[in-house]
Amino acid sequence: NAGVTQTPKFQVLKTGQSMTLQCAQDMNHNSMYWYRQDPGMGLRLIYYSASEGTTDKGEVPNGYNVSRLNKREFSLRLESAAPSQTSVYFCASSVNRGNTEAFFGQGTRLTVV
Amino acid sequence: ELKVEQNPLFLSMQEGKNYTIYCNYSTTSDRLYWYRQDPGKSLESLFVLLSNGAVKQEGRLMASLDTKARLSTLHITAAVHDLSATYFCAGINRYSGGGADGLTFGKGTHLIIQP
Repeated sequence: NAGVTQTPKFQVLKTGQSMTLQCAQDMNHNSMYWYRQDPGMGLRLIYYSASEGTTDKGEVPNGYNVSRLNKREFSLRLESAAPSQTSVYFCASSVNRGNTEAFFGQGTRLTVV
Repeated sequence: ELKVEQNPLFLSMQEGKNYTIYCNYSTTSDRLYWYRQDPGKSLESLFVLLSNGAVKQEGRLMASLDTKARLSTLHITAAVHDLSATYFCAGINRYSGGGADGLTFGKGTHLIIQP
């Protein structure tokens, strides 16, 4: 059982480049999330999706867009990367909004130079 | 908006000792979570605390929740080196967009247990 799978695991971008982080879960969960983790900051929610076809902003959405492609997949896009977006990105999923024990992917370490 | 504060943020202790990590939160949260993170790894769910007075134990770790005081604790008994990790508490935040309730995390407690 793979759980939550993120790709890529590592990425280096130049300022202004764009990229999409991919996330897929095989647990038949309805809700999915993108977090970023910065040193000394804990994890902060970027965007979330309650169910297929819906997305909402979290605490730090600026500079990001998301797509809930289907029930399994939730992607995060950086249209024009900035050094401030250097971070570790985690995707997570949970059964639904009323049962939000979240299961996390392995993370994507992104560096913007 | 929910705010979560953990203390201490850094803790170095010796094997065999007991210690407690504290997690205070600012507004009502439906439930409280504890996660563990090893360096360079993902987050592993440790405990889900669902109601006031809830206590859960797993090995040398015990978590409790006092919703009236808006306080959760993670107690470590007779610490061993393998428990060295960063521990996060998290509560549920309800964002203005409705829908799913994302988690708001504390900054984490970096725990080092020395032999």
